[in-house]
Amino acid sequence: GQNIDQPTEMTATEGAIVQINCTYQTSGFNGLFWYQQHAGEAPTFLSYNVLDGLEEKGRFSSFLSRSKGYSYLLLKELQMKDSASYLCAVRATSGTYKYIFGTGTRLKVLA
Amino acid sequence: GAGVSQSPSNKVTEKGKDVELRCDPISGHTALYWYRQSLGQGLEFLIYFQGNSAPDKSGLPSDRFSAERTGGSVSTLTIQRTQQEDSAVYLCASSKSGRETQYFGPGTRLLVL
Repeated sequence: GQNIDQPTEMTATEGAIVQINCTYQTSGFNGLFWYQQHAGEAPTFLSYNVLDGLEEKGRFSSFLSRSKGYSYLLLKELQMKDSASYLCAVRATSGTYKYIFGTGTRLKVLA
Repeated sequence: GAGVSQSPSNKVTEKGKDVELRCDPISGHTALYWYRQSLGQGLEFLIYFQGNSAPDKSGLPSDRFSAERTGGSVSTLTIQRTQQEDSAVYLCASSKSGRETQYFGPGTRLLVL
């Protein structure tokens, strides 16, 4: 079947570093995406990994290991505005480019 | 440029009524997706359109749900004989193609009383 797992909630302190893990089992793989979703708003794109390794974009980095079915999103120098849900999604290729989303990780950044 | 737009932004309906939700994708985007997000949950895939190909309807939860995309642009998601469990946020996303990053609209918040 198709399954994506990520922690339900995490809490961190302003200025700290937090790592949000995501493991997946899908039929076919054509990329892993991270989205940020503030309460009551639509998801916004953060990062995309299709090859193994680390992709860095400012304070955010995302890592992928296809052999392990594992990814993480690393947030550095946390700010209060980073309090949001972070959604891991895999683009599967079972004939069509369908996205499978995890349930999201709610991150609370405390002062 | 303009992003993905959806209407209405909020919809309250009575159980048993039909509703239509509209999505205007980003101009030139050939791929269009519909998702459902229940309170505190992740996104549930509903349907995917890619150009003129037959849509992937594998996520539609029942035959009360249908969607169409006219002229390769605007899409309408129809829910017939709504039930209270249909209450959720319905999100639309579009991308240049199935291989490209998808961008989300603001969603339609549906409440079935």
